[in-house]
Amino acid sequence: GAVVSQHPSRVICKSGTSVKIECRSLDFQATTMFWYRQFPKQSLMLMATSNEGSKATYEQGVEKDKFLINHASLTLSTLTVTSAHPEDSSFYICSARHSDSHYGYTFGSGTRLTVV
Amino acid sequence: GQNIDQPTEMTATEGAIVQINCTYQTSGFNGLFWYQQHAGEAPTFLSYNVLDGLEEKGRFSSFLSRSKGYSYLLLKELQMKDSASYLCAGMDSNYQLIWGAGTKLIIKP
Repeated sequence: GAVVSQHPSRVICKSGTSVKIECRSLDFQATTMFWYRQFPKQSLMLMATSNEGSKATYEQGVEKDKFLINHASLTLSTLTVTSAHPEDSSFYICSARHSDSHYGYTFGSGTRLTVV
Repeated sequence: GQNIDQPTEMTATEGAIVQINCTYQTSGFNGLFWYQQHAGEAPTFLSYNVLDGLEEKGRFSSFLSRSKGYSYLLLKELQMKDSASYLCAGMDSNYQLIWGAGTKLIIKP
């Protein structure tokens, strides 16, 4: 149980365009979804926390107008990278906390974004 | 502040045993997690400790000492597929995970 499906797994886009990444909890309700970014050889960096039906909470230094997060239902959260630039190229991972915290966070499979 | 410290890189031999240490400082404490992450993939859950002591799960074991703010992950009978990064994460009083930078484990034949 506790599966999070993330799409797309890889995306290449042109500079200036927008990219949407979806995360769905398949067999549980995720009232809270977490969005991370990971640069090569670095640890996970929390970007924002999204709560179903309310505005996301962004970490310091993360532009909320650039990284739009929508959590419209208990099973779907989306991250849209707007006006992407090469420096936005990274590995983006979503995760949701299962109701039983013993299982920690369940991660999506990640999205490798390359902006050219 | 909150902080997780773990070694950057370790090397071990196939078939041997390796221990990856982690020290933590969190605002409140709701458990210590270990995750495995292969290159280019998302982390996968390995273990969770909230009480002192050793939790054994097959070839992997995890230990916690809350008084020392210390944990370790023990990997036995190392296999080449164990080459990966191992992430230590502490859960604070708000149930947020505080991540370490990860330990890259290199397994040599």
